[in-house]
Amino acid sequence: DTEVTQTPKHLVMGMTNKKSLKCEQHMGHRAMYWYKQKAKKPPELMFVYSYEKLSINESVPSRFSPECPNSSLLNLHLHALQPEDSALYLCASSPSQGGETQYFGPGTRLLVL
Amino acid sequence: KQEVTQIPAALSVPEGENLVLNCSFTDSAIYNLQWFRQDPGKGLTSLLLIQSSQREQTSGRLNASLDKSSGRSTLYIAASQPGDSATYLCAVYSGGSNYKLTFGKGTLLTVNP
Repeated sequence: DTEVTQTPKHLVMGMTNKKSLKCEQHMGHRAMYWYKQKAKKPPELMFVYSYEKLSINESVPSRFSPECPNSSLLNLHLHALQPEDSALYLCASSPSQGGETQYFGPGTRLLVL
Repeated sequence: KQEVTQIPAALSVPEGENLVLNCSFTDSAIYNLQWFRQDPGKGLTSLLLIQSSQREQTSGRLNASLDKSSGRSTLYIAASQPGDSATYLCAVYSGGSNYKLTFGKGTLLTVNP
């Protein structure tokens, strides 16, 4: 099973809402990633978790809060977002944070009104 | 700071044609290079990963080459099919002990029947 799943597929939220994006993998991977992708742009790295610990935070605003409850799950908690945060949010995993192939999920399409 | 450039930005070819997509990177101190495919509004699918010590990798009709010293990679697609239509992204792994992927902006490929 080389699948990374993400829920929900689509999300519409107001600027005062609190919501969460979820990502799951059952490949035994110990590195998990959140990326943000705007239309017609490449993915931009947001966070990396390695062995359930935050390894990289690419200076992401605090209105995005990642969480890794266990080795299979990765959440992204959203609060007080801005319309410019509307994007495709992609989750990925790899065996370790050692430059191996990253497997991507289908993404969550987020619209902030 | 690593920068990845992909040329051309868009390419339209008739079915059956062989084609080459180009990728260049500014810092040759890479760990490896990965080619992805992305269909509209979807996640990324890994196509090929080339280790920095390798010169090329092949998978079916795809062949990727790497010239680390000159900072270039090419993705060769043989006998193109309409189903190959997608955006192709090149990404390099680089950076200290915490490897990160830096993406190019992609090449939008359209294969016309």
